[in-house]
Amino acid sequence: DAGVIQSPRHEVTEMGQEVTLRCKPISGHNSLFWYRQTMMRGLELLIYFNNNVPIDDSGMPEDRFSAKMPNASFSTLKIQPSEPRDSAVYFCASRTTGGKYEQYFGPGTRLTVT
Amino acid sequence: GQQVMQIPQYQHVQEGEDFTTYCNSSTTLSNIQWYKQRPGGHPVFLIQLVKSGEVKKQKRLTFQFGEAKKNSSLHITATQTTDVGTYFCAGNNQGGKLIFGQGTELSVKP
Repeated sequence: DAGVIQSPRHEVTEMGQEVTLRCKPISGHNSLFWYRQTMMRGLELLIYFNNNVPIDDSGMPEDRFSAKMPNASFSTLKIQPSEPRDSAVYFCASRTTGGKYEQYFGPGTRLTVT
Repeated sequence: GQQVMQIPQYQHVQEGEDFTTYCNSSTTLSNIQWYKQRPGGHPVFLIQLVKSGEVKKQKRLTFQFGEAKKNSSLHITATQTTDVGTYFCAGNNQGGKLIFGQGTELSVKP
């Protein structure tokens, strides 16, 4: 299995630009999570989906952030407009349900907003 | 809201010394998980504890879940340089949402 796939691995953009991060979960996993990691705030859950439906988006910092999961094999996290304080590593993770709750993380996208 | 506190934030040890990180939740957990993140890497699942008072071992690593299911610990015996990284506990509430602790960054001096 290829594991969770994220793209791009690195993104550098200017303040005000739109940023789209992409994630392909492990095949067969029906839960998907978006996290943000910074030195100051640690690992924060932004949003998670079960069976493509957003369940909890209470961690989404503001309206500039949006996430979609149009099908079981693809999700996006969009920031529009981006700001320097959005600079962080964004991780996508997936897992199965049914008793096994361990999450499998992707390699992350390192976002730098200048 | 639910919080998971982890201490210490940093730990520097000499190779061969033991290491312990502690995790405390503000609420009772259905289970707790431990992850390791190497520098520049992503969190990797280590283990899950479910039962009150449960103890599990993985080679030099010993994981414990408290009787009240609100605290946990990870102990590494005789650390090696390959143990370097940040260790996170993550508590699972009834809704299946993982709440991560702040992590303990371990450095090992050879």
